Amino acid sequence: EPEVTQTPSHQVTQMGQEVILRCVPISNHLYFYWYRQILGQKVEFLVSFYNNEISEKSEIFDDQFSVERPDGSNFTLKIRSTKLEDSAMYFCASSEATGIIGELFFGEGSRLTVL
Amino acid sequence: KQEVTQIPAALSVPEGENLVLNCSFTDSAIYNLQWFRQDPGKGLTSLLLIQSSQREQTSGRLNASLDKSSGRSTLYIAASQPGDSATYLCAVSNYGGSQGNLIFGKGTKLSVKP
Repeated sequence: EPEVTQTPSHQVTQMGQEVILRCVPISNHLYFYWYRQILGQKVEFLVSFYNNEISEKSEIFDDQFSVERPDGSNFTLKIRSTKLEDSAMYFCASSEATGIIGELFFGEGSRLTVL
Repeated sequence: KQEVTQIPAALSVPEGENLVLNCSFTDSAIYNLQWFRQDPGKGLTSLLLIQSSQREQTSGRLNASLDKSSGRSTLYIAASQPGDSATYLCAVSNYGGSQGNLIFGKGTKLSVKP
């Protein structure tokens, strides 16, 4: 069964360092997303991406964050200068469609620990 | 602003019992509602998607209902098994948003005892 894959599964970094989280969405999907979940809290929307541009971003997704689809298969989230509060599980998701029939499929997540 | 609430926060039942998980949302202008399962330290597995025009969806032992006007959804699990132990999340997609911007509840942590 097709699935969303994410790497790395866990990354530990020092505050102020740049981090890139990678995702391979389901191959025929056109819409891509990043979400995060701080330990013990709700899953939160970060950004949606379609047709090589950001469709929507949340207040969390500030100038420290960027997304890119560098080739036909990968979708990346970059955090330029990590802060302690960026420690969270980051989930990539994709969907074939949006709107009423838009079902999102999530990856296993990348756990980011900022020291 | 859309708020999603799930009650109870945790539930422990003996194996074989039928159970209901509740989800409520404050704004009825939604495209759809999705139920997910999350195992500890793992990703989210999509269980069911109910379109805003639908009243219920079924998949195996799972049945989800949606009452959009009252802002409520329930996930019914029949004949529960220890393997059903996980956190169950509901999420809504707001009408007028980017349509992939899901607003999640905090989840119900289910424990099914053998």
